[in-house]
Amino acid sequence: EVHLLESGGGLVQPGGSLRLSCAASGFTFSSYDMSWVRQAPGKGLEWISGIRVGGVSMDSAASVKGRFTISRDNARNTLYLQINSLRADDTAVYYCARVEGSGWLNDYWGQGTLVTVSS
Amino acid sequence: EIVMTQSPATLSVSPGERATLSCRASRSVSNKLAWYQQKPGQAPRLLIFGASTRATGIPDRFSGSGSGTQFTLTISSLQSEDFAVYYCQQYNNWPPLTFGGGTKVEIK
Repeated sequence: EVHLLESGGGLVQPGGSLRLSCAASGFTFSSYDMSWVRQAPGKGLEWISGIRVGGVSMDSAASVKGRFTISRDNARNTLYLQINSLRADDTAVYYCARVEGSGWLNDYWGQGTLVTVSS
Repeated sequence: EIVMTQSPATLSVSPGERATLSCRASRSVSNKLAWYQQKPGQAPRLLIFGASTRATGIPDRFSGSGSGTQFTLTISSLQSEDFAVYYCQQYNNWPPLTFGGGTKVEIK
C-alpha cells in the first residue's frame, strides 16, 4: 500500500525557515516523480513544485520561486521541501504527492503537515 | 498558465439525486484532466484521470467526460459519503500544474 507521511511543519515567525519531509513507503520511491502541493486554510489547492526521479527539479510556482527548494533522497525514500523567507500567506497545509504517468498526475497524497507563519 | 474554472461553487443536492459538476480550462488540455475529492481534514483523493478513467477503487457512480476545454464530473446517485469538495486539475501544460477553485457538494 502506498503511504506518504509528511512532517516538519509548525509555527514559525515571518522571515523564518523550515524543512518539510515526506517519507514514502509501499512503492519504489526512486522510480516516481514527486510533487508538493499546499492548501491555505479554507482555500483551494496550489501546486508548488515537482521533482524528477533523478533529482532534477521542475520550475516552481511563481509564488514560491527563489524561496522554496524541493529535493529528494532516494536512498532514504524521502522527499524534502526547504522553505525560506516565510510570509503570512505561506500558512497552509503542505501535501506531498506521488506522480504517475507521463503527465504530471498526482495519484497518491500524504495527509499533510501544517505550517503556520505568525509572530 | 492555464486557468481552471469550476462551477458552481456550491451545489446543494439531496441524497440519491444526480450531481453534475463543471470544469473549464482557459485553453485546451486535451484529456489530461483529473478530478479529486476532498473531505474536511483529509487529503485529496484521486477520482478520475484522463478526463474519464476512474481511479482504483472508485465506485462507478462517479463518471467523467469532456476534452479540450470543457469537462464534467457526474455523480449518478449521491451517497452520504459523497458530500465533499471536488477539484479539477489539468496536467497537460506544466509547470505550473493548475487546479480549479473547487465545488462544494452539500446536502440539500
